[in-house]
Amino acid sequence: DARVTQTPRHKVTEMGQEVTMRCQPILGHNTVFWYRQTMMQGLELLAYFRNRAPLDDSGMPKDRFSAEMPDATLATLKIQPSEPRDSAVYFCASAPLNTEAFFGQGTRLTVV
Amino acid sequence: AQSVTQPDIHITVSEGASLELRCNYSYGATPYLFWYVQSPGQGLQLLLKYFSGDTLVQGIKGFEAEFKRSQSSFNLRKPSVHWSDAAEYFCAVAPGGGYQKVTFGTGTKLQVIP
Repeated sequence: DARVTQTPRHKVTEMGQEVTMRCQPILGHNTVFWYRQTMMQGLELLAYFRNRAPLDDSGMPKDRFSAEMPDATLATLKIQPSEPRDSAVYFCASAPLNTEAFFGQGTRLTVV
Repeated sequence: AQSVTQPDIHITVSEGASLELRCNYSYGATPYLFWYVQSPGQGLQLLLKYFSGDTLVQGIKGFEAEFKRSQSSFNLRKPSVHWSDAAEYFCAVAPGGGYQKVTFGTGTKLQVIP
């Protein structure tokens, strides 16, 4: 059963520390998305890639967030330095071209 | 810019009762429309989608939704709710042409009482 895998599932870190979240998209899916979910803002699209190239990262705070796809099987979202306001659930999703996305189970990040 | 409104933050229904969750969208052309469900601690699972064609679409778990262009709505329905349907439901819209700039609604939390 193909699925999007995210690691870690939970992360607690201190303010100022670097956080890296990883995502393994479904094999063959050429589009990868990063979403952030908070109670206040709901689901926000942070960035997305097609064929490993970043297409849009306008939803991402550029000063501290970065997203990359080192290869077709790995997408990363990095926060450096982390702040308490970054506490949220971060979802990765992948999709074949022009169809719906499949979501991972998320990484719950708590910055204290 | 596209937007989605889910006017009901929380809905409570009795098990076996019918369900309708409301969704209104704003977009200049015919968008792609989706309903997702999220169980606690889980990611989002697609229930159904509308791209074109028949305006009544069937999804998984006995759900259906009807696209009404005149009302800019895409309401989700189920004739008989089961306790396992308790979850949060998200309506989403994307520009026609694929899953790119998808905008999600704020969600409706469904509680099912016995």
